[in-house]
Amino acid sequence: GDSVTQMEGPVTLSEEAFLTINCTYTATGYPSLFWYVQYPGEGLQLLLKATKADDKGSNKGFEATYRKETTSFHLEKGSVQVSDSAVYFCALSDRTGRRALTFGSGTRLQVQP
Amino acid sequence: NAGVTQTPKFQVLKTGQSMTLQCAQDMNHNSMYWYRQDPGMGLRLIYYSASEGTTDKGEVPNGYNVSRLNKREFSLRLESAAPSQTSVYFCASSEDQGNIQYFGAGTRLSVL
Repeated sequence: GDSVTQMEGPVTLSEEAFLTINCTYTATGYPSLFWYVQYPGEGLQLLLKATKADDKGSNKGFEATYRKETTSFHLEKGSVQVSDSAVYFCALSDRTGRRALTFGSGTRLQVQP
Repeated sequence: NAGVTQTPKFQVLKTGQSMTLQCAQDMNHNSMYWYRQDPGMGLRLIYYSASEGTTDKGEVPNGYNVSRLNKREFSLRLESAAPSQTSVYFCASSEDQGNIQYFGAGTRLSVL
């Protein structure tokens, strides 16, 4: 079945550091890919998405590129802020059937001032 | 604009008790979902409803039942709660296309 693998956390960075959170996936067909973010005590919010190979999703300074050849969707940000501290989830959605999301286990990011 | 609303936010149950988690969305979405979130495991799908009047099992349905009461509301019932059901439960909804899901704030459930 479908699966998503994320790098384990926590990831601890200083403010203005460069961020990469790795995500790889296994799926049949051509899934849509997502990054969701969960701030403390809240539900998940969509951060960005990509629906086909070589698409780049971007939002709030975060970017991720759909790489079909490496089955990856790594999240990057050039300069993190304390307010970016949260848990980040990579997810995929198949294009048929139930259209539910398959999530990775999440990566906690802690940004220190 | 409320989005997806879940009640209650917190609940403590004793083993064997029953309860219903409520979820409502005001975005006129066709599809609704229930997930559980456990440490180190991401979110796992319990049940989903592709459209009003239909429900289907997800990855971890055992011990749960659901009701799609109307287009807005999708409830999750625990008939006889067990400690293994201690978790954070999230409801989500989406349109048919795009597959972007919108999540509620969650219900934190403890079963003693």
